[in-house]
Amino acid sequence: EVQLVESGGGLVQPGGSLRLSCAASGFTFSSYEMNWVRQAPGKGLEWVSYISSSGSTIYYADSVKGRFTISRDNAKNSLYLQMNSLRAEDTAVYYCARGSSRGSFDYWGQGTLVTVSS
Amino acid sequence: SYVLTQPPSVSVAPGQTARITCGGNNIGSKSVHWYQQKPGQAPVLVVYDDSDRPSGIPERFSGSNSGNTATLTISRVEAGDEADYYCQVWDSSSDHQVFGGGTKLTVL
Repeated sequence: EVQLVESGGGLVQPGGSLRLSCAASGFTFSSYEMNWVRQAPGKGLEWVSYISSSGSTIYYADSVKGRFTISRDNAKNSLYLQMNSLRAEDTAVYYCARGSSRGSFDYWGQGTLVTVSS
Repeated sequence: SYVLTQPPSVSVAPGQTARITCGGNNIGSKSVHWYQQKPGQAPVLVVYDDSDRPSGIPERFSGSNSGNTATLTISRVEAGDEADYYCQVWDSSSDHQVFGGGTKLTVL
């Protein structure tokens, strides 16, 4: 069974940093592209970042470029999101999602809440 | 940047057919994916590559894509279909994934 479990969310002050993790199981992690998607309270889905299966190709949404860093450790079956210079508008539930056919996301984690507030 | 436009809400009676549209410039040239999200839950892929269904998704869910509009069709709507639905594409010109704003489906 495919499982994606996020962790690392919490309350952080504006300007602070946080590192999210996503532990993958039930599939060959190193063969799949991965993404982070977020959802602000009461709002829609917003794609955050993409990483290829090898980690050699990375993309970011304009809203987080230069502040967030996506990475992965295929030996540990884990995906990460380092978030720096956090702003109030980064407050959201962050989901990791497995990439599939033509850019679709076929499996999602349960999400981890990040709250940026003083 | 590429923009996907969805109606904020769609209402339908049980047993009827719901159609949720997703508009975008020449979206027919892209692969469109659809997600269902119920309150407090993670999104679930219900249609991918315009019209394919993942395993476990009922045949009542179907999709089409042509010109400037993609459509998710839910036949014989049930109370359990009440949820938010999002369309999504990969925009190769910007190397960005793009989501529509979402449509709340209400079953009357």
